[in-house]
Amino acid sequence: ILNVEQSPQSLHVQEGDSTNFTCSFPSSNFYALHWYRWETAKSPEALFVMTLNGDEKKKGRISATLNTKEGYSYLYIKGSQPEDSATYLCAPNAGNNRKLIWGLGTSLAVNP
Amino acid sequence: KAGVTQTPRYLIKTRGQQVTLSCSPISGHRSVSWYQQTPGQGLQFLFEYFSETQRNKGNFPGRFSGRQFSNSRSEMNVSTLELGDSALYLCASSLYPQGRSRGETDTQYFGPGTRLTVL
Repeated sequence: ILNVEQSPQSLHVQEGDSTNFTCSFPSSNFYALHWYRWETAKSPEALFVMTLNGDEKKKGRISATLNTKEGYSYLYIKGSQPEDSATYLCAPNAGNNRKLIWGLGTSLAVNP
Repeated sequence: KAGVTQTPRYLIKTRGQQVTLSCSPISGHRSVSWYQQTPGQGLQFLFEYFSETQRNKGNFPGRFSGRQFSNSRSEMNVSTLELGDSALYLCASSLYPQGRSRGETDTQYFGPGTRLTVL
């Protein structure tokens, strides 16, 4: 069974702080990795899909990097705002059928 | 473009009953995946349908079943409900099935979910 780990489980930061979290996954047979944001009372929303070792993606103040050799991805938020409060999920495609395997997420709370 | 819709949004059932949930994907999307979300468990994959065929299945008992119609709308059914089936059920649609392409085309677009409570 593929194990996807996200750390930390939760995070509380002040508005303006920069923060980052980690998604770890088995590096063998890597195919692609997806990041999603899930705000309370809303649906999960796609942020990035990453495929190549060394990939860096950016959307506004949020960016992500990918290391497929060691099996991890970092998500960075620069200058966190209260509207960034959400659970951030990562999901690699895995197995012979490459279905998405979801981590438990990192819950971020940004205090104004 | 209209998003993914799910009906009903809320449902209360009693143990032993059965329930059917519906999901209408984004127009043009042919893949529909279903997930169960309970506190502390994250998103648990139920199954994925593409072009009316079940493509992937998660580790859920046979009480959980699904189907997809020719217009890509999908339903999932849970028979003989148990208390532990209380959860948020999400469906997601994508242009291609999970893992078909290394890009945006298998990005999952989620519906608002159906909150099922089993008493």
